[in-house]
Amino acid sequence: GQNIDQPTEMTATEGAIVQINCTYQTSGFNGLFWYQQHAGEAPTFLSYNVLDGLEEKGRFSSFLSRSKGYSYLLLKELQMKDSASYLCAVRDTGGFKTIFGAGTRLFVKA
Amino acid sequence: NAGVTQTPKFRILKIGQSMTLQCTQDMNHNYMYWYRQDPGMGLKLIYYSVGAGITDKGEVPNGYNVSRSTTEDFPLRLELAAPSQTSVYFCASSFTRTGVDHEQFFGPGTRLTVL
Repeated sequence: GQNIDQPTEMTATEGAIVQINCTYQTSGFNGLFWYQQHAGEAPTFLSYNVLDGLEEKGRFSSFLSRSKGYSYLLLKELQMKDSASYLCAVRDTGGFKTIFGAGTRLFVKA
Repeated sequence: NAGVTQTPKFRILKIGQSMTLQCTQDMNHNYMYWYRQDPGMGLKLIYYSVGAGITDKGEVPNGYNVSRSTTEDFPLRLELAAPSQTSVYFCASSFTRTGVDHEQFFGPGTRLTVL
């Protein structure tokens, strides 16, 4: 079956580093995406991994291990505006469908 | 570019009514998608399209229909609305070709309540 697991909620302090984990079991794999979604708004793209390793983009980094079915999103120098839900999504090989996890709600406190 | 636009932003329907959610993109993307998002949940794919004239079912297609007569437009039709269809609906588009994938761009969403 298709399954993506992420923690439901996390809390971190402004200026700190937080790691949001994602594990997946899908019938095929053609890339993993991370999206950010502020409350009441649409998701926006953060990162894409298709090969194993770390992709860095400013304060955000994303890691992928295909053999372990595992990814994480690393957010550095947290800001209050980073309070949002973070969605892990896996692109399936068949039918070009993207499966989304339920998302992790991150609360950044002062 | 306006990106992906959706209308209406909000709608309340009575059980058994029908409506069409409109979605338009001006980025010349070949792929378009309809998702629904229930409170505290992730996005569930309803239907998607790989190009004009081609559509296919996603995870939760029952109770919905789509068409794609042009590259730009991908309307979602709800027939005989039911309370279980109360949700936020997002339309998205992407440029995708074999072996190369790109991120999806999402519209602002339509909040639908069925009473």
